[in-house]
Amino acid sequence: DSGVTQTPKHLITATGQRVTLRCSPRSGDLSVYWYQQSLDQGLQFLIQYYNGEERAKGNILERFSAQQFPDLHSELNLSSLELGDSALYFCASSAHPTMEDEQYFGPGTRLTVT
Amino acid sequence: QQQVKQSPQSLIVQKGGISIINCAYENTAFDYFPWYQQFPGKGPALLIAIRPDVSEKKEGRFTISFNKSAKQFSLHIMDSQPGDSATYFCAASSWSGNTPLVFGKGTRLSVIA
Repeated sequence: DSGVTQTPKHLITATGQRVTLRCSPRSGDLSVYWYQQSLDQGLQFLIQYYNGEERAKGNILERFSAQQFPDLHSELNLSSLELGDSALYFCASSAHPTMEDEQYFGPGTRLTVT
Repeated sequence: QQQVKQSPQSLIVQKGGISIINCAYENTAFDYFPWYQQFPGKGPALLIAIRPDVSEKKEGRFTISFNKSAKQFSLHIMDSQPGDSATYFCAASSWSGNTPLVFGKGTRLSVIA
């Protein structure tokens, strides 16, 4: 168990809808990362927050947004969902903001868009 | 897009054998190369990582070999065990540029008895 929790585990929704994925980092970790894992694209970095501030941005669509709250949990919001957004979404956390700090991954949220 | 190319996509190895997974990168600014292990239904977990100031790093049965001139690095799993059956991802980033991890597409390893 990495200590990173993600809810929900599974999410099934329809195209055009909006969903929110939640992540609680390991105790003491200030940095949160979001990744998307799909069969064709592999594991792709979406965005990083450190202590409430956006730190780095990757291949995140404009329809997606994220934030990190004062209690350090993070939410990833996906809107106007498309079939291609179906994927596993992972949250990871680390103590420090640098990418080389070991990232601890949560169990993921499997999103299915129908 | 900066890429890390990983091969093979899948690998079947006999118990006790050596598993070898290869990765190649393009961006010469990359200077941090971790390997992640992922079991079904779980998130990836850091297995071992190397920086380019060394050509090899060993931790138990797992070894990373790094060839800076060829821009290639590989993971060797010695005495492979059925419990090693998982998907392995190589990744790369630039420490100095604090760039995000770029992952290979993964290798599904099956170790059979």
